[in-house]
Amino acid sequence: GAVVSQHPSRVICKSGTSVKIECRSLDFQATTMFWYRQFPKKSLMLMATSNEGSKATYEQGVEKDKFLINHASLTLSTLTVTSAHPEDSSFYICSANLAGVYEQYFGPGTRLTVT
Amino acid sequence: GDSVTQMEGPVTLSEEAFLTINCTYTATGYPSLFWYVQYPGEGLQLLLKATKADDKGSNKGFEATYRKETTSFHLEKGSVQVSDSAVYFCALRGNDMRFGAGTRLTVKP
Repeated sequence: GAVVSQHPSRVICKSGTSVKIECRSLDFQATTMFWYRQFPKKSLMLMATSNEGSKATYEQGVEKDKFLINHASLTLSTLTVTSAHPEDSSFYICSANLAGVYEQYFGPGTRLTVT
Repeated sequence: GDSVTQMEGPVTLSEEAFLTINCTYTATGYPSLFWYVQYPGEGLQLLLKATKADDKGSNKGFEATYRKETTSFHLEKGSVQVSDSAVYFCALRGNDMRFGAGTRLTVKP
């Protein structure tokens, strides 16, 4: 089946620094990837939809200048958390659509801790 | 907008007990419905899905039927195992993906 990977799986960074998270579709091309944030014991919150070759579409309330998304190729999307603060600590999950298939395939997630 | 409401947890059961996790939805149009499972420290995995009314999704002994008349997609399993302990998310795909809040299931031996 379709496989989506994320790197890194865990990252700890200091306040004020930036962190980049990669999302890759390993065996298929994904024109659309999605970025979610999951708070402890809560559901997934869609942050943005990443489209290859164009600007990402952000959900209401998500700061696009803080969460930079780049979808440079059909197999890679990146999320950069800029000037991270402790409240950005969370589990970030990406997913990708296989063309013509309704379901999304999820990556294993990245746990970000900002100290 | 579209939304999903699922039974609040946590749910604790003994091995071999019957499981039901309720899920209802509101949506315009005809969404596809999903159940995802998340094991500790991992991402979401698709458990089962149904794309139209009266479809039954099934996998690993879990079942859910797409009920348009009651706008529901309840998850059931006849006999749970310790390895089923996880968080279960009901979701729908309309214009975009919407998830329920998740239900944590713990199965004790």
